[in-house]
Amino acid sequence: GAVVSQHPSWVICKSGTSVKIECRSLDFQATTMFWYRQFPKQSLMLMATSNEGSKATYEQGVEKDKFLINHASLTLSTLTVTSAHPEDSSFYICSARPTLDTPQHFGDGTRLSIL
Amino acid sequence: KQEVTQIPAALSVPEGENLVLNCSFTDSAIYNLQWFRQDPGKGLTSLLLIQSSQREQTSGRLNASLDKSSGRSTLYIAASQPGDSATYLCAVRQRAGGATNKLIFGTGTLLAVQP
Repeated sequence: GAVVSQHPSWVICKSGTSVKIECRSLDFQATTMFWYRQFPKQSLMLMATSNEGSKATYEQGVEKDKFLINHASLTLSTLTVTSAHPEDSSFYICSARPTLDTPQHFGDGTRLSIL
Repeated sequence: KQEVTQIPAALSVPEGENLVLNCSFTDSAIYNLQWFRQDPGKGLTSLLLIQSSQREQTSGRLNASLDKSSGRSTLYIAASQPGDSATYLCAVRQRAGGATNKLIFGTGTLLAVQP
């Protein structure tokens, strides 16, 4: 079945560091990928929709300059948390689907901890 | 604005029991509905996808139903096992325009199956 791979699974870094998270669709092409953030014991919050070859669409309240998204190919999207601070610590999950009529699949998530 | 609610928020049952998880949504103009499970510290695993024209989908011990007119979906788990313990999330995809891209998640049901 369709698989979405996310890397790294866990990052610990100092405040002020920029962190890049990769999301790959392994056996299908994805013109659209999605980035979510999840706080403890809460549901997923959509941050942005990543569009291959064009700018990402950000949800209201999400800082574009803080969370840079690049969708360079049909199988790869990256999320860069720039100049990360402790309040950016969270669980980030990417997602993709082959078509509108097929299930949306999720990566295993990235646990980001900023010291 | 679409709102998705899941009841109960938490459920604990003995092994072997059949159970039902509920999902309700306020706007019936959905494209499809998807059920997921999330294990602690992990991403989401897709369980079942129901298109708006369908009334139910089955996979193994899982059966999901959809009543679009009343804004409800249920996930039935037969003969529950300790391995079924997880958080279960339902999500709807809206029908209208660009919003069709987004999944809107429910609040989740935390299920514990006691051995």
